[in-house]
Amino acid sequence: NAGVTQTPKFRVLKTGQSMTLLCAQDMNHEYMYWYRQDPGMGLRLIHYSVGEGTTAKGEVPDGYNVSRLKKQNFLLGLESAAPSQTSVYFCASRPGQGPYNEQFFGPGTRLTVL
Amino acid sequence: DAKTTQPNSMESNEEEPVHLPCNHSTISGTDYIHWYRQLPSQGPEYVIHGLTSNVNNRMASLAIAEDRKSSTLILHRATLRDAAVYYCIAETSGSRLTFGEGTQLTVNP
Repeated sequence: NAGVTQTPKFRVLKTGQSMTLLCAQDMNHEYMYWYRQDPGMGLRLIHYSVGEGTTAKGEVPDGYNVSRLKKQNFLLGLESAAPSQTSVYFCASRPGQGPYNEQFFGPGTRLTVL
Repeated sequence: DAKTTQPNSMESNEEEPVHLPCNHSTISGTDYIHWYRQLPSQGPEYVIHGLTSNVNNRMASLAIAEDRKSSTLILHRATLRDAAVYYCIAETSGSRLTFGEGTQLTVNP
């Protein structure tokens, strides 16, 4: 199993450009998450999904959109990138409901917005 | 999720035990306590979780206070590879985890 993979690993954007980050998992997990991590800080939840076709807002959803058209994929979109969105983005998945389930994280995408 | 409080940083020497504390005084009876760690330049990884009883796995032990208002992650013999940020999370929702600032563990050779 590849686990959780993220594409791309690095990206540099100019202010106002758009892009989509792809997260894929091959563990048949129901739940998927997008976090951002700014330097020296903990992770903050952007959006999450509790199943195919569902999405929900996290702590910091503004400026981002997500889609979960297939169970194995969770896409994070930036329609008009801003320098404040410079961060490392982590995707995670979890088997399903139940606070005893662990989350599995991807390696991260480092995004710089100039 | 219930609020957790951890020290910003801790130091240990290699091959010595490490006790990482976490306070979660507002935890409810059904909240699980999770520990994750984040090695440099990597995504977080699961370490251990528990509800009421102490728990052991190949990575660590989790000691939960009887009143559940605090817990301690125990690394029995720290190695240089254990240097990481350790996050303690008390989960309420069953669908999402809230990460705080964590404890930066430094392991000295």
